Amino acid sequence: GAGVSQSPSNKVTEKGKDVELRCDPISGHTALYWYRQSLGQGLEFLIYFQGNSAPDKSGLPSDRFSAERTGGSVSTLTIQRTQQEDSAVYLCASSPLLSAKNIQYFGAGTRLSVL
Amino acid sequence: SQQGEEDPQALSIQEGENATMNCSYKTSINNLQWYRQNSGRGLVHLILIRSNEREKHSGRLRVTLDTSKKSSSLLITASRAADTASYFCATDPSGNTPLVFGKGTRLSVIA
Repeated sequence: GAGVSQSPSNKVTEKGKDVELRCDPISGHTALYWYRQSLGQGLEFLIYFQGNSAPDKSGLPSDRFSAERTGGSVSTLTIQRTQQEDSAVYLCASSPLLSAKNIQYFGAGTRLSVL
Repeated sequence: SQQGEEDPQALSIQEGENATMNCSYKTSINNLQWYRQNSGRGLVHLILIRSNEREKHSGRLRVTLDTSKKSSSLLITASRAADTASYFCATDPSGNTPLVFGKGTRLSVIA
C-alpha cells in the first residue's frame, strides 16, 4: 500500500503568517509522530498521537505550534505567526506499534521556509 | 534533548571499503534502531536491535549493542556509492514512545 504522504512538499511563507502541514499516515497505523529537522541536524520530536489517547505534546517548542489528528488518521500540524527560526523540514512518521517494536515509517517531509 | 550521539559526524570512504558508525546514548532502552536518510528524503528504517541482543545482521549491515557502555555500532560492509546518505541511531525507551534520534553520520562513498 501507499507510504506516509506529506503535503505540501515545499512551503514558502512570510514571517507572521500561519501555515498548515498535512500528513497522511499508512492505513491502520495507530501511532503518528511529527518531528522537525533543521539543516544538518537530527530529528527533534514535536508531538505524538497514539490511538484515541491524548496526544503527547511535550516536544512542541511554543504555543504557536499545534496539531490535530482527525478520525485517527490524517494529521495537520499548524504553526501560527511563523518566525524565521521555524524554517526547517517537518517530518511525519507513523507506526503500527507491533510487539512493542516502534518501527517508524517516514514521509518525505515538508520543507518550510519563512522569509 | 537528543539522547543518541553518532560518531563520526561525517565519513568519506572509497567504494568497496567498510564503513563503521558509532552511537552513544544516555538512559536505558527497550531497543535501538538505525535509520538512513537520503538527501531531501524521509528516513528509512534499516535495522532494530533489542536491549537483550548483542549483535544483529541484515545483508551487508551488522549492528552491535553494548548496553553496559550504552553504545551501538553500525557496520556497512563492501560499501557502494548508493550507500551515500546520513545514518541515524534512534533509541526507544519503552517500545511505544517517541524515538530519540541522534544528529546522524553523513556517509559519502566515492566510486
